[in-house]
Amino acid sequence: SAVISQKPSRDICQRGTSLTIQCQVDSQVTMMFWYRQQPGQSLTLIATANQGSEATYESGFVIDKFPISRPNLTFSTLTVSNMSPEDSSIYLCSLKGGENYNEQFFGPGTRLTVL
Amino acid sequence: EDKVVQSPLSLVVHEGDTVTLNCSYEVTNFRSLLWYKQEKKAPTFLFMLTSSGIEKKSGRLSSILDKKELSSILNITATQTGDSAIYLCAVDYRSASKIIFGSGTRLSIRP
Repeated sequence: SAVISQKPSRDICQRGTSLTIQCQVDSQVTMMFWYRQQPGQSLTLIATANQGSEATYESGFVIDKFPISRPNLTFSTLTVSNMSPEDSSIYLCSLKGGENYNEQFFGPGTRLTVL
Repeated sequence: EDKVVQSPLSLVVHEGDTVTLNCSYEVTNFRSLLWYKQEKKAPTFLFMLTSSGIEKKSGRLSSILDKKELSSILNITATQTGDSAIYLCAVDYRSASKIIFGSGTRLSIRP
């Protein structure tokens, strides 16, 4: 399976600032996904990022708040803009892989705390 | 609305016990059901189930899917403290490339 890395692994940010999270994969993948896990909650899909096209956002998530870049097949970024304490979460990038590309694998995650 | 429901939400057992975690789903165009273990940040993949009635095993863990009942169970035998984690169930859609997660079961193993 592909190796996924994320930077930063954690950060503490001030309200009103923005943070960009990077996700790097060691092989080319068509679709990458960004998830959020708020404290005590399960994972929620933010958006699907295809290389060369605009990201597709899930209900409740908008591009102005969570802009995503996908410049090539091995890299993506998620920006959390104008942060508030409610944005404190673990952010995870993900991709599909495995024998039939049906298994979903996750990066190590970024733990964000907004003060 | 598509959903995945897990039970119990939390469970505390003693080392050596056997546990059964439950997952039920209501989704359109079901493709597969996945189980993950989450200890810190990133969920780690355990099983993918696509066919009803076929048990998948990995060491002390096993899982089976029942498409008629729209459910799955994850069994852990002879539990160890290292099994303490959140166990997540997720369902993959046939018509889309995304998956949706249940709320998870927080399992705590007491020595």
